[in-house]
This record gives sequence, C-alpha cells and structure tokens, in this order.
Amino acid sequence: GENVEQHPSTLSVQEGDSAVIKCTYSDSASNYFPWYKQELGKRPQLIIDIRSNVGEKKDQRIAVTLNKTAKHFSLHITETQPEDSAVYFCAPSGGSYIPTFGRGTSLIVHP
Amino acid sequence: DSGVTQTPKHLITATGQRVTLRCSPRSGDLSVYWYQQSLDQGLQFLIQYYNGEERAKGNILERFSAQQFPDLHSELNLSSLELGDSALYFCASSTGTGGIGELFFGEGSRLTVL
Repeated sequence: GENVEQHPSTLSVQEGDSAVIKCTYSDSASNYFPWYKQELGKRPQLIIDIRSNVGEKKDQRIAVTLNKTAKHFSLHITETQPEDSAVYFCAPSGGSYIPTFGRGTSLIVHP
Repeated sequence: DSGVTQTPKHLITATGQRVTLRCSPRSGDLSVYWYQQSLDQGLQFLIQYYNGEERAKGNILERFSAQQFPDLHSELNLSSLELGDSALYFCASSTGTGGIGELFFGEGSRLTVL
C-alpha cells in the first residue's frame, strides 16, 4: 500500500508568519493530492487539492505545490492567523482506491 | 454541514460487548469509507464500500465488520470490544470510487470502552 509521511509533526509559528508542511508518498501512480484540516474535536475538511497535471494551486492564503518526480507535495499557509491552528493531513490517492492519510501535522499559531 | 450523518455521536460500553455505528452518506454519493482515529494517531483506513459492495479493505480487525445497504447507508459492527478499540470512528463519503475527489466526513462516533 501507499506509504505517506508528513513533516514536521508539530509546527509552532507566530501570527503573520508562513507555515509549510511537506507530504511524501510512495505510490508513483498517485494522481490526486489533497490537504485536510481538522480542528480540535471536529471532522476533517478539505482545504485544498491538486491533481497530477498541475504543479501549483493557490487559494487566497493557502497553496499546494506538487513535485511528482520526487513524490512529494507541500501545503503553504501565508500570513498565519490563530484560527489556522489545527491538525493538517495529506491524503494522496489514485494509485489505489484508498486515500491514505499521513499522521498529521499539528500547527500552532501564537497570537 | 458535510451532509454525512453518523450515529451515535458518543458511545460508552464495556469490554467484550458489541456495538454498531451507523453512517448515512451525502445524497448521491455511492462510496462510503470508514476510518479509525485514536489519540495521537492519524486516520487509519478500515474499509470502503461502493454501491453496496465491498471495494477495499484496510487493517480492519476480524472482530470488526461492515456493510452497505441498498439505501446506501452503512453500518460498522465492532464486537468483542477491547480497551484499545476506544477511538473516534469516522465515516466519509464521496461521489466516485477510485479515491479521487473530496472525502466528506461525518462528525464521527466517539467510542469509549471501559
């Protein structure tokens, strides 16, 4: 099955700083690369995704970049705000039917 | 609101017991996924159904079973419960079957085994 690793496991930043979370996957057939945000006690929700024919996608303060050759994709959050504090999961899929989730990155944004 | 409904929200039971968790997917979604989330753990894939048929299986214990009914709702049955089964169980639905596209998660069912 797909091996998915996220780094770092915890990221602490000051409000206004940028945050970058990296996801490495093993299945070269993967072609869908989403990021989910899970606030404390809540369900995971999709915040941005990218497909393999695109290298970068941006939506306001968040962006995802994909390097298919190196088999990794990254979540970029600029001008972080306290409400960005949450656990972020990557979940590459396409090679199999199953979105495989990383172990998550806990982002803490200090006011 | 994701449109995915899970019941019960909370469940407390004893070791050795059996419970059933229920999930109603979004209207029109044919795929249902079950994930287990323990403390400090990611989302562990258990099983997927598509239009009533089992499509993929993850590290689901033999004590656990699931099914998807003709109306597309799904149930996850957990039996001979152990303390380690305490976790948050999420159901998610999607339109397609190939793992491509957004997963819509329910609010989860928190199971506590005492």
